[in-house]
Amino acid sequence: DAGVTQSPTHLIKTRGQQVTLRCSPISGHKSVSWYQQVLGQGPQFIFQYYEKEERGRGNFPDRFSARQFPNYSSELNVNALLLGDSALYLCASSEEGGPYEQFFGPGTRLTVL
Amino acid sequence: QQQVKQSPQSLIVQKGGISIINCAYENTAFDYFPWYQQFPGKGPALLIAIRPDVSEKKEGRFTISFNKSAKQFSLHIMDSQPGDSATYFCAASGSSNTGKLIFGQGTTLQVKP
Repeated sequence: DAGVTQSPTHLIKTRGQQVTLRCSPISGHKSVSWYQQVLGQGPQFIFQYYEKEERGRGNFPDRFSARQFPNYSSELNVNALLLGDSALYLCASSEEGGPYEQFFGPGTRLTVL
Repeated sequence: QQQVKQSPQSLIVQKGGISIINCAYENTAFDYFPWYQQFPGKGPALLIAIRPDVSEKKEGRFTISFNKSAKQFSLHIMDSQPGDSATYFCAASGSSNTGKLIFGQGTTLQVKP
């Protein structure tokens, strides 16, 4: 079975630009969570979506937004990019909402110049 | 109060030895404690998780010990192998509705042959 897939693998943007990251969850999973992992640190929670509704939001500015589609895939959008947004963006899927049994994808490495 | 403190930051163990990583938390509402393993360039992989109603959980060579009164939990890797060399993250959650996992800072484990 395919695991969580994310695209693109790598991305380079300049300050002020906008970026869209994509995630496809494990088949049968209805929940997607997004995390930001800065080099040398643990992942930080950004959002969770379950059945197309936002279930949780971390301490990130409104420049970060997300949505979930009817097929349970998800997009994370970041506007007005800052240098500090450079990080590995991880998507995790789970069968239901909540923190349990979250399985992570390989991530998208975003570099902001 | 929302932090999870992980130690040590790095660990070197001989092949066949026991690797021990510790985490501490403050929030007594936390009720789910997973451990993740992350290899360079990959997303975190769920290793094992525990709820506070048990003091120990074992899966293969991996064991979680949980001390509710001390608000501490630890990961023990028995018979450590070079292939176990990776970064390990503990996490905690008390947010069954939001999906938020709070991660420790990570421990880089090197198992020497």
